[in-house]
Amino acid sequence: KQEVTQIPAALSVPEGENLVLNCSFTDSAIYNLQWFRQDPGKGLTSLLLIQSSQREQTSGRLNASLDKSSGRSTLYIAASQPGDSATYLCAVSPPNNAGNMLTFGGGTRLMVKP
Amino acid sequence: KAGVTQTPRYLIKTRGQQVTLSCSPISGHRSVSWYQQTPGQGLQFLFEYFSETQRNKGNFPGRFSGRQFSNSRSEMNVSTLELGDSALYLCASSLLGPSTDTQYFGPGTRLTVL
Repeated sequence: KQEVTQIPAALSVPEGENLVLNCSFTDSAIYNLQWFRQDPGKGLTSLLLIQSSQREQTSGRLNASLDKSSGRSTLYIAASQPGDSATYLCAVSPPNNAGNMLTFGGGTRLMVKP
Repeated sequence: KAGVTQTPRYLIKTRGQQVTLSCSPISGHRSVSWYQQTPGQGLQFLFEYFSETQRNKGNFPGRFSGRQFSNSRSEMNVSTLELGDSALYLCASSLLGPSTDTQYFGPGTRLTVL
């Protein structure tokens, strides 16, 4: 059974700092990995999707990497801003023939202080 | 393009009642997934529908059921509500499914069971 872990559970940084969020998964047989952002009491917003054959994806100040063999992904946020404050979740999907679903980590709650 | 919509946004029920939640996916999306989010268990997969067929089901009791209509709109039903069913219920849509492409989430329905 796939298990996804995110460390740390919470993180507080001053504005302008670069930071890294971590995601690990126990079964390397994944189809893709997605990073989401969730604001309090709201739904999830997709940030980046990395296919299992890819090593990284970039969008603006965000860069996500994937090391499938070691079961790890990182989300790098450059020059953090107070508007980046939210909970960040990673999720993995199994190969197509093993089901169509996402398994989520517990999330990292990020606070960026002005 | 309109996003994923969920109705109602908030719901209060008592134990033993049943409830139906609705999700309208992004136009053209054929896959709809449902998730339950609680502080203790995080985000857990309920089921996924594609072209009116349930393709996958998570580890939830039979009190949780769903369906999808020909226009891709989906409903989920919970019968004989229990206190532990209090949660944020999120639906997500995509073109082909969570294992293939980006998931777009709705704002969720906050269910409180008294």
